[in-house]
Amino acid sequence: DTGVSQNPRHKITKRGQNVTFRCDPISEHNRLYWYRQTLGQGPEFLTYFQNEAQLEKSRLLSDRFSAERPKGSFSTLEIQRTEQGDSAMYLCASSLGQSNTGELFFGEGSRLTVL
Amino acid sequence: KNQVEQSPQSLIILEGKNCTLQCNYTVSPFSNLRWYKQDTGRGPVSLTIMTFSENTKSNGRYTATLDADTKQSSLHITASQLSDSASYICVVTLILTGGGNKLTFGTGTQLKVEL
Repeated sequence: DTGVSQNPRHKITKRGQNVTFRCDPISEHNRLYWYRQTLGQGPEFLTYFQNEAQLEKSRLLSDRFSAERPKGSFSTLEIQRTEQGDSAMYLCASSLGQSNTGELFFGEGSRLTVL
Repeated sequence: KNQVEQSPQSLIILEGKNCTLQCNYTVSPFSNLRWYKQDTGRGPVSLTIMTFSENTKSNGRYTATLDADTKQSSLHITASQLSDSASYICVVTLILTGGGNKLTFGTGTQLKVEL
């Protein structure tokens, strides 16, 4: 196992287009998180899954954003009708839910540029 | 207003020197406090995790301290190396529905180690 995998690593799109990012967590991890990071800022929480259930969503996740984890393994984050303000690094993390100090392992991120 | 404030914003030190990074937080109640290292364009990597009852935690040349009364933490790096050049992010954790962790990230201290 090589850790959390995200693709694509980079995506350039025109405003108004839809984009989808995929995250493959570490295989036995039941918890999966999406974060967004803009330049010079720390990552901001977007949403969280335990198995296939989406248990928490940030107010940052507008109606144009949707995340799924249909089989409790990989997850997708779709952004519809992209705006320039959506340009950011989208980070996925996973953890094994055994304790509150569970280690979160981050992927390398998917960088989105909206022109 | 960010609930996790870090100082300094950036720091340049000579290789072999020590340095201390500061973190003040207002997130409460929290489950644990983490320090992450993030190289440019990469995902964050965990350095230390401390529960509110722990005062200090070491990981090689990294030593983190926590004062839950004053809501302050520090990360001390000894004998710095060029590879330590990165952003160091203080992260406070809340517990989500189902036991997952919501990480609130600071904006980071950008450390540069020079010859």
